[in-house]
Amino acid sequence: SYELTQPPSVSVSPGQTATITCSGDTLGDKYASWYQQKPGQSPVLVIYQDVRRPSGIPERFSGSNSGNTATLAISGTQAMDEAAYYCQAWDSSTVVFGGGTKLTVL
Amino acid sequence: QVQLQESGPGLVKPSETLSLTCTVSGGSISSFYWSWIRQPAGKGLEWIGRISAGGSTNYNPSLKSRVTMSRDTSKNHFSLNLKSVTAADTAVYYCARDSPVTTEGHYDGMDVWGQGTTVTVSS
Repeated sequence: SYELTQPPSVSVSPGQTATITCSGDTLGDKYASWYQQKPGQSPVLVIYQDVRRPSGIPERFSGSNSGNTATLAISGTQAMDEAAYYCQAWDSSTVVFGGGTKLTVL
Repeated sequence: QVQLQESGPGLVKPSETLSLTCTVSGGSISSFYWSWIRQPAGKGLEWIGRISAGGSTNYNPSLKSRVTMSRDTSKNHFSLNLKSVTAADTAVYYCARDSPVTTEGHYDGMDVWGQGTTVTVSS
């Protein structure tokens, strides 16, 4: 079965750019989505089709996807961005989630 | 504005069947795809399966033998049945609006989620 691998944790200083990676075999040939989940809340879609932002998602969230790695970048990271982030892709008629990355804003 | 609300028992006995319903308001389940996702406490998201606008289903291979999803267009809701549950099925269960996958491979993810419902498997 297809697997997506994320680092368990990433730390960033306020105002800096946070990058979270998601690795999978030929992931660049698929479309990646990203979700933000804060404690006690439901996930929120922040990136879809690799680079697109849903309405209401701040411009500081951006995505890319090439080769075996999709990346979520958060520029000018704010305290409110501290959350778990999950990548997702579609493969062989199934939805696959990465294991999640806890972003800490120090 | 589409909203989703999960409902069902919060406690299920081992070996029994977990049954949940997701009621959709502000939109029709005859459009889009609809997924179930679960999350054990302190762990990541696990996709369970989805049902299409036309009623066809896709399931997570690891759960496929125990999962059935259905829909009731007259009530505008869709349902999840997970049989032969064990403590490992204890989790928060979410329903979400999902996207079709185009012939070009375009997939837009899940843009609307319910608030989630906690299900505990215990005797």
